[in-house]
Amino acid sequence: AQTVTQSQPEMSVQEAETVTLSCTYDTSESDYYLFWYKQPPSRQMILVIRQEAYKQQNATENRFSVNFQKAAKSFSLKISDSQLGDAAMYFCAYRSLITGANSKLTFGKGITLSVRP
Amino acid sequence: GAVVSQHPSRVICKSGTSVKIECRSLDFQATTMFWYRQFPKQSLMLMATSNEGSKATYEQGVEKDKFLINHASLTLSTLTVTSAHPEDSSFYICSGRQVSGNTIYFGEGSWLTVV
Repeated sequence: AQTVTQSQPEMSVQEAETVTLSCTYDTSESDYYLFWYKQPPSRQMILVIRQEAYKQQNATENRFSVNFQKAAKSFSLKISDSQLGDAAMYFCAYRSLITGANSKLTFGKGITLSVRP
Repeated sequence: GAVVSQHPSRVICKSGTSVKIECRSLDFQATTMFWYRQFPKQSLMLMATSNEGSKATYEQGVEKDKFLINHASLTLSTLTVTSAHPEDSSFYICSGRQVSGNTIYFGEGSWLTVV
């Protein structure tokens, strides 16, 4: 079974600075998806970024980028120019490609990010 | 973008009664829907996976007779908490996956309080 580990429960960043959230995972599969989701106080789960394992290029979405190290099974999220609205809980998630439509998301424990004004 | 609407957003029910939570995909057909439970400051715990027209597949430790999941159409799935007890109080979130597509979209979640 796959596991996702987020070892840091909390992090804090100064507004406009850059912060990196860590995530490691364990799998024996070669093809899969990795995600970062944001959950603000409203509790709505928001997809931040997605990475396909077969792609070597790191995904980027505006101020958000990932450092995907497949061999090391590491998938960190970098938030540049942090904004107050970035304060939220962030979840790293894994999704297998093998089980097809029923393939579920496996979540890490999450990390609470606070942004200092 | 794809939207999943979940109702009610908050519900309070008396112990021993049943409560239903609906999850609708508004602009896409959700072949598969997932139901999660989340305790404060914790991660999402998958309860069950449902496919349209089929019985749901429950995760280990989830009581299928207590948490009834129905996925009658490609746009609607429901979770019914039967004979609710205070320990069932939690945040419940649904998500749906398109017939064709790799992204999973989440509903807004439902707070259930059993008194």
